[in-house]
Amino acid sequence: SQQGEEDPQALSIQEGENATMNCSYKTSINNLQWYRQNSGRGLVHLILIRSNEREKHSGRLRVTLDTSKKSSSLLITASRAADTASYFCATGGVYSSASKIIFGSGTRLSIRP
Amino acid sequence: DGGITQSPKYLFRKEGQNVTLSCEQNLNHDAMYWYRQDPGQGLRLIYYSQIVNDFQKGDIAEGYSVSREKKESFPLTVTSAQKNPTAFYLCASSLQETQYFGPGTRLLVL
Repeated sequence: SQQGEEDPQALSIQEGENATMNCSYKTSINNLQWYRQNSGRGLVHLILIRSNEREKHSGRLRVTLDTSKKSSSLLITASRAADTASYFCATGGVYSSASKIIFGSGTRLSIRP
Repeated sequence: DGGITQSPKYLFRKEGQNVTLSCEQNLNHDAMYWYRQDPGQGLRLIYYSQIVNDFQKGDIAEGYSVSREKKESFPLTVTSAQKNPTAFYLCASSLQETQYFGPGTRLLVL
């Protein structure tokens, strides 16, 4: 079962521009996480935001969470070539085990030099 | 050097053969997971284990089996009952919500 759906599925921007990806989900959550995956590699955790938080920052990353709209956004500022990767949101449910999270289908981000 | 290791990096399976993918972690995490990823897709949960000697089926457990005899190890067997095993398999571990992933094993069918 897929909880989160990312939008857009693919995004291509010029180096230096900002990249925004969105995630929508269906059921109540405890937290939402964003992960990055470089091609052919494992996922790397970027940031976690809890259901009682609205915004969180980490370096060039800014995540927002709107529980009333059941959506989140990931903003990467001043993009670099190394940001080229797929980005996945993952949700932790209210009624599921704390350790079980559900991944969306991802946004493929390409940074043009 | 702490982390999660998966082996092999590439694995080839013949028709009707069972194959086992290895996953080891030295992070002292209680929970471990196996995911399947198809090209251009997200991750689907195969099995997970929250503690030694216990594991639960995920969303796509049919054709797969696991064991959790040690905290550090969570091997996945792809059985002959899995008719479409070609995919990228990812192992992860966690203490709480955040999961830490291995580099993955790509399984191909001969």
